[in-house]
Amino acid sequence: QSVLTQPPSVSGAPGQTVTIPCIGSSSNIGAGYDVHWYQQFPGTAPKLLIYRNTNRPSGVPERFSTSRSGTSASLAITGLQAEDEADFYCQSYDSSLVGSVFGGGTKLTVL
Amino acid sequence: QVQLQESGPGLVKPSQTLSLTCTVSGGSMSSDTYYWSWIRQPAGKGLEWIGRFHTSGSANYNPSLKSRVTISLDTSKNQFSLRLSSVTAADTAVYYCATARTILGVDLGLAVWGKGATVTVSS
Repeated sequence: QSVLTQPPSVSGAPGQTVTIPCIGSSSNIGAGYDVHWYQQFPGTAPKLLIYRNTNRPSGVPERFSTSRSGTSASLAITGLQAEDEADFYCQSYDSSLVGSVFGGGTKLTVL
Repeated sequence: QVQLQESGPGLVKPSQTLSLTCTVSGGSMSSDTYYWSWIRQPAGKGLEWIGRFHTSGSANYNPSLKSRVTISLDTSKNQFSLRLSSVTAADTAVYYCATARTILGVDLGLAVWGKGATVTVSS
């Protein structure tokens, strides 16, 4: 069980919008620590998708956006494309664990 | 931008120590401030954060692994290493090295990853 909770899977049709939640607690997201998001395709290393809550590295489309409220954060993908199909992970710092933690990951399927 | 490459034995016997090295190319480890990190991923499962070593000399480890893990830096060789002792089959995974630049101590996310090294624990 991860300290950061993500749904195992989400799906959507091309062109639709999907949202992936990352539910934490008062010792991580709720404490104000930054959230990073990663995208991972099968057989490859994860890629940084969003850093420090809302920042997109160069080359990441604006279709990927994030929000956070209280002890949760979420990643939204608008205008779904087949190439978006991948696993997504949130990451934050946890003061109780004195270290970083990943969410359990969410598999996005584009129908 | 720096690139990372993991190296080390692909097979480790139970109770022995897993040792992996991450070689940094395309830049110097000393040129800026970074978290040098290790993450692992068992087959078909999610990412597990193992630990990190900051340029300043501080280290943080996953509490569930802390008693068995050591991460160290060798800036003269532009490498950092992972040692995980007393391994069991549960330590079988793809091990990634990764790095996050920091500014005034703020973590900017793991922007650079190695391709991953598969380590199997078996007799």
